[in-house]
Amino acid sequence: QVQLQESGPGLVKPSETLFLTCTVSGGSIGGYYWSWVRRPPGKGLEWIGYIYYSGNTNYNPSLQSRLTILVETSKNQFSLKLTSVTAEDTATYYCARLNRVAPVSNYYYHSMDVWGQGTTVTVSS
Amino acid sequence: DIVVTQSPLSLSVTPGEPASISCRSSQSLLHSSGYYYLDWYLQKPGQSPQLLIYLASNRASGVPDRFSGSGSGTDFTLRISRVEAEDAGVYYCMQTLQTRTFGQGTKVEIK
Repeated sequence: QVQLQESGPGLVKPSETLFLTCTVSGGSIGGYYWSWVRRPPGKGLEWIGYIYYSGNTNYNPSLQSRLTILVETSKNQFSLKLTSVTAEDTATYYCARLNRVAPVSNYYYHSMDVWGQGTTVTVSS
Repeated sequence: DIVVTQSPLSLSVTPGEPASISCRSSQSLLHSSGYYYLDWYLQKPGQSPQLLIYLASNRASGVPDRFSGSGSGTDFTLRISRVEAEDAGVYYCMQTLQTRTFGQGTKVEIK
């Protein structure tokens, strides 16, 4: 079965760039959408964005100016790059697969059906 | 942007009793396909979120039938017919009509 594993630095300095990677195992990254979600301490979930295996992306408008999501199919990985981080970016970051769960009209509806265990990132000097 | 508001923000339930959580969106979540674009997720303590309900009323694979989703337009409800101890956690609705937005979450405690 498909498993996801986030990796990256646990500590990032303010104004620097956060880079996280999600490695997909037990299945191919091809044919799916892949997303990032975060949960700041003491707060709720925030959707960050997603990428299709071909490279098409969709970002949270509030993060769009600082955010890039990339996919590297040869490594079965996708990544998140967030620039100019502040303490507000401190959170547990999750990667998840957006899977086709139901046919809708001429395409499919997608929901996040497989999640990584999450990685905690602290922004502090 | 579509704003999603959940209520209550916390809930304490006795095992075996029913529970319900409301989710309201700032605009209709009706898609041109006729489906309502809303998911429900549960994040149990120490775990990653898990999908419960998609398209407002469809249980995800492996989800017990004590969970049900309903609603239309801007008002949606997640119901648990008989709460069990394992149902503790934070429940989130998420609209998927325009990008994606989570509600604030509802923390469910089992008495």
